[in-house]
Amino acid sequence: KQEVTQIPAALSVPEGENLVLNCSFTDSAIYNLQWFRQDPGKGLTSLLLIQSSQREQTSGRLNASLDKSSGRSTLYIAASQPGDSATYLCAGVMNSGGYQKVTFGTGTKLQVIP
Amino acid sequence: EADIYQTPRYLVIGTGKKITLECSQTMGHDKMYWYQQDPGMELHLIHYSYGVNSTEKGDLSSESTVSRIRTEHFPLTLESARPSHTSQYLCASSEEFRAEAFFGQGTRLTVV
Repeated sequence: KQEVTQIPAALSVPEGENLVLNCSFTDSAIYNLQWFRQDPGKGLTSLLLIQSSQREQTSGRLNASLDKSSGRSTLYIAASQPGDSATYLCAGVMNSGGYQKVTFGTGTKLQVIP
Repeated sequence: EADIYQTPRYLVIGTGKKITLECSQTMGHDKMYWYQQDPGMELHLIHYSYGVNSTEKGDLSSESTVSRIRTEHFPLTLESARPSHTSQYLCASSEEFRAEAFFGQGTRLTVV
């Protein structure tokens, strides 16, 4: 069974700092890994998706990497802003019994202090 | 394992038609979601629900509407389909927003 873990569980940084969020997964047979953002009481906003054949994806101040062999993904946020405060989730996507099974990580709650 | 079903699996319809995509789950999950996904692209959340009589729009603007009259049922409706609506629509459910999400097999919609 796929297990996805995110460290740290919570992170508080001053505005402008660069930071890295970590995601570990136990089953390397994922066909993509997706990073999401979740604001309180809301659903998930997709940030970046990395296909299993890719190593890295970038979008604006965000950069996500994927190392399937070590079962790790990182999300790098450059020049953090208060608006980045949210919970960040990674999700490993696998085929399971003919349907797409998404296993979400435990999340990292980020607070960016002005 | 997961019991979440979407019907139809494939649908080809003409422009202007009204369609409803069905999604049902038997796990008793309160949280349900609709995602739109073009081939090889990210899942984009278009609607979600906290529970019965609760519906919210997601991060991707969509002309579709949803309803949640029963816990197990979360249909999505397009009043007047257009070619731009051609995509795959995935329904999901979970116990909580951050818990493992179970996805249906999807409906691949083509509007001609």
